This record gives sequence, structure tokens and C-alpha cells, in this order.
Amino acid sequence: AQRVTQPEKLLSVFKGAPVELKCNYSYSGSPELFWYVQYSRQRLQLLLRHISRESIKGFTADLNKGETSFHLKKPFAQEEDSAMYYCALLPKETSGSRLTFGEGTQLTVNP
Amino acid sequence: DAGVTQSPTHLIKTRGQQVTLRCSPKSGHDTVSWYQQALGQGPQFIFQYYEEEERQRGNFPDRFSGHQFPNYSSELNVNALLLGDSALYLCASSFRLAVQETQYFGPGTRLLVL
Repeated sequence: AQRVTQPEKLLSVFKGAPVELKCNYSYSGSPELFWYVQYSRQRLQLLLRHISRESIKGFTADLNKGETSFHLKKPFAQEEDSAMYYCALLPKETSGSRLTFGEGTQLTVNP
Repeated sequence: DAGVTQSPTHLIKTRGQQVTLRCSPKSGHDTVSWYQQALGQGPQFIFQYYEEEERQRGNFPDRFSGHQFPNYSSELNVNALLLGDSALYLCASSFRLAVQETQYFGPGTRLLVL
């Protein structure tokens, strides 16, 4: 069985400061990892996926298989980054697209 | 394209009742997944449908059942409601044969069981 852990429920930073949202996972096979974001009063949406290796809205995330982590980083946080962030795992060995989510981290960027 | 739509937006039921939630997928999508999100928690996978059949199922009792129609829309049914079924129910759609399958989420249906 797979599991995703986001150790921080709440994270508060000041505008312009670096931010890192932690995500650890447990899965015996080869996973695909995602970060989803939910802005206030909006639906859950995909922010980025590790296989794309792209930067979205200044955010990046690197899959570290040795540490089983997929931390989300941004060098300079903006107020509009305030949102709920969920890390999610998709097992690649099984058919279908069942996502396992962490409990989420509420990021607040203060002015 | 309105994206994934869900109805109703809110629902109040009493224990023991039955409820049906509906989902229309994003245009071009053929797969629908349902998730339950309790307050303060991440979404939990209930089941997934494509080609009108349940393909994967999470750790939910048989009280939770579903259906997918030929137009790819889907229903989630919950029988014998319990207080613990109160949650936000999310529907997500995707195209199964996409090179990088991405799930797009609807706004959810908030169910309150009294």
C-alpha cells in the first residue's frame, strides 16, 4: 500500500521569502508524484508533476527516490501563492489512475 | 468547456437515508474517479469508472456504489448514510489513453448527514 505524508498542516512565510512544502511517500514500486493546489473558493487543480520536470508559477519539485521525498519549493513567495497544497502519488505499476493524497499544507504568505 | 461539473453543490440528509451525487466529465474525457474529502484531510479514493465499469476501488464499504453512463457521466450512490459520511465528495475526470493522464477535479458536493 502507498502512503503520502505532509508533515506540516500550516506554513506561514513572508512575501519574498523562500518556501518549501515537504512531502514524503512510502511505496515499494515506482511512483509518479504530483502537487495539487486549491486556492480559496476554487477547485483542486494540478500544479506540477515530477515527470514533466517543469517550473509552474515559480514552483519546482524534485523527486528524491533515496529519501522518498518530493518537496515543493519556490525561492521567492508571493501573496497569491497562499493556498492549500496537496502532494499526491500515483503507482505506475497498476492500471488505472488512483491517486493517494497527503493531508495537505495550508500555505499563508504574509505581506 | 465548463470542465468537470457536479450536482448538487450541497446536500443535507439524515442517517439511514440514501443519496445520489452526479458528475459530468470534462469534454473529451472517458474516465471518472470519485474521492471523499473529510474536513481537514486530503481526498481519499473511492472508485474509478471507465467503459461503464468499476475498474478500481478504494477502501470503502459496499454502501458506496456507482455507475457510469454511455456519455461518460457518472453517479455516486451512498446507502444507509452514517454521520461519518459527511464530507466533500469530489469527482475527477481524465482521458485514459493520454500520454500523461491528468485528473481534472470538479467543485465537489458537500454532504451533511444529520
